Amino acid sequence: KNEVEQSPQNLTAQEGEFITINCSYSVGISALHWLQQHPGGGIVSLFMLSSGKKKHGRLIATINIQEKHSSLHITASHPRDSAVYICAVPRAGTASKLTFGTGTRLQVTL
Amino acid sequence: EPEVTQTPSHQVTQMGQEVILRCVPISNHLYFYWYRQILGQKVEFLVSFYNNEISEKSEIFDDQFSVERPDGSNFTLKIRSTKLEDSAMYFCASSRGGETQYFGPGTRLLVL
Repeated sequence: KNEVEQSPQNLTAQEGEFITINCSYSVGISALHWLQQHPGGGIVSLFMLSSGKKKHGRLIATINIQEKHSSLHITASHPRDSAVYICAVPRAGTASKLTFGTGTRLQVTL
Repeated sequence: EPEVTQTPSHQVTQMGQEVILRCVPISNHLYFYWYRQILGQKVEFLVSFYNNEISEKSEIFDDQFSVERPDGSNFTLKIRSTKLEDSAMYFCASSRGGETQYFGPGTRLLVL
């Protein structure tokens, strides 16, 4: 089993702020997923990464395989970024059996 | 842009009844998944499906649950004899290979 810890649990930021959400996991993995869950419940995949860094628009995800740690950064945050951000990793020896973190609830205010 | 769809969006059922949750994955995808999220809790993996068979399943996915791809487009999750604790949001997802998974909007199941 792979334990997944996210921090912070809750985050409030003002529009324009740079945001960092952290994810640590206990067992070596092939890839890590970052997901966004909207207030209505819908889930969107943001990134799947196995090394280094990926960027999509204002979102940047990094991973350090040796330290078993990943970060999700949001530059120039906006109220529409308000959501729960979840990281997920596969259980050891599996590809699809994902273990999910509890999520970081982000609220961006004007 | 192609998307995963799920029906119904909401389902209310009596304890002990059978329910079938339906999903239409993205058409050229080969891997299919079901997840659930009990209100206020983490998302949990239930099962993955590839080449017309279950590839991985979690401890939650016991004999009460089954999955099927009855035709070329639908992917279903059947829950036999529902229990109160089956109340949750159920998400279907699909992927072309072992990479990014695309999630459906979810079916909110309430067992009374």
